[in-house]
This record gives sequence, structure tokens and C-alpha cells, in this order.
Amino acid sequence: DAKTTQPTSMDCAEGRAANLPCNHSTISGNEYVYWYRQIHSQGPQYIIHGLKNNETNEMASLIITEDRKSSTLILPHATLRDTAVYYCIVKAHNFNKFYFGSGTKLNVKP
Amino acid sequence: DAGVTQSPTHLIKTRGQQVTLRCSPKSGHDTVSWYQQALGQGPQFIFQYYEEEERQRGNFPDRFSGHQFPNYSSELNVNALLLGDSALYLCASSLVVAGEALAKNIQYFGAGTRLSVL
Repeated sequence: DAKTTQPTSMDCAEGRAANLPCNHSTISGNEYVYWYRQIHSQGPQYIIHGLKNNETNEMASLIITEDRKSSTLILPHATLRDTAVYYCIVKAHNFNKFYFGSGTKLNVKP
Repeated sequence: DAGVTQSPTHLIKTRGQQVTLRCSPKSGHDTVSWYQQALGQGPQFIFQYYEEEERQRGNFPDRFSGHQFPNYSSELNVNALLLGDSALYLCASSLVVAGEALAKNIQYFGAGTRLSVL
């Protein structure tokens, strides 16, 4: 599976958009980008995933660059409840498992 | 619709003992994966069960074993516990769709079992 690189931590003001970057420069053409988040002491929560096109759901938007070497998770209006560790994961085409890195600790501040 | 449920929520064992953790997948799911999460780290893949067989395995010793039952629920067994086995053990379930790339398979996680080995 391709490796991902994320900042260790980020701050965001409540009500503002949170933009979380992820670098996956070695991604292959058939590998998907997934985002999960983990609020303290809970199990990881699925947020969104995509292959090539930008994706949006009720939780977030995923922007994947044209060369697919990086992506950005956007939380449009961050709330205090969005404080969590966010994991960007690249999943291989023929594997049904995730390799989690260290993630980004997002701190949403009032 | 119940999500992924795990039991127990917390467990304390001593070195050398054996432990069994249990997982019930989300309704309609047929695949169960187990992860170990040490404090301050991301989850690490242990193994995955589908059709009652271990399909994929991470870099864990054979002290870690599992089982999947006909109702798709699963157990994780750890023998000869070490202090380093203290962690949050997570179960994730998913549904394999014939003809669809496994990479599209979303896994949904339970809240985990916190194991402390003393």
C-alpha cells in the first residue's frame, strides 16, 4: 500500500472550514484514498473515500489532485465535536485492510 | 440498526493468561477484521475473517488467533499474554460485494475492547 504523510497536528477555529492535507505521492492508479477519524477512546469513524474524482457527503468533501499524489479533506464548518485524530489511508485495489499511520490531530477551538 | 458491537469493553489480565474478545458485525455484513491500537499510535491490522476462514493476516505472532462463526460474529484469542499486548482491540466489519474491488469495501469499526495486561 502507498504511504501517506500528514501533519502531526492542526488547529481550526469553530465555524471555519478545516482543510486537512495528505500526501500520497506513490499511490497507484487503482488505489483508493480513505479518510477516517477517531475521537478519543472511540473506534475510527468512516468519513469519505474516493479514487479520482472529488467526493462530497454529509460529513465532508474530499479533493484529490489531478495527479492523485495528494488530497485534502474539508470539513466545511468545524465544530468542537470535530476535534479528533484524522487518518488518511491509501487502500490497495485487491486488499481489504487498512494501514493506519499516525494521523493528524485536529484541534477545533472556540 | 445496530452497528459493530464488541465485548467486553474493558478487561484486565495478567501475563501468561489467555483472553478472548468478541465482535458482532453490523447487520448485513459478512467480513470481520481485527486491529490492535497501542496508546498514541494508529490501529495495526491483525487479521481478517470471511466465510469462516482467515483471509489476510498482518505481522502478528500466532499467539493471536481468531474464529468466525456461521452468523458472521467473530472472536479474537490471544495466548500467553505479554505486557506489550496491552492495547485497544478494534473490530471492523464490511460486506464483500461480488465483482466489486475490495478497495471499495468500507469498514465500520466498533468502540473496541481495552485490554490491560499486568
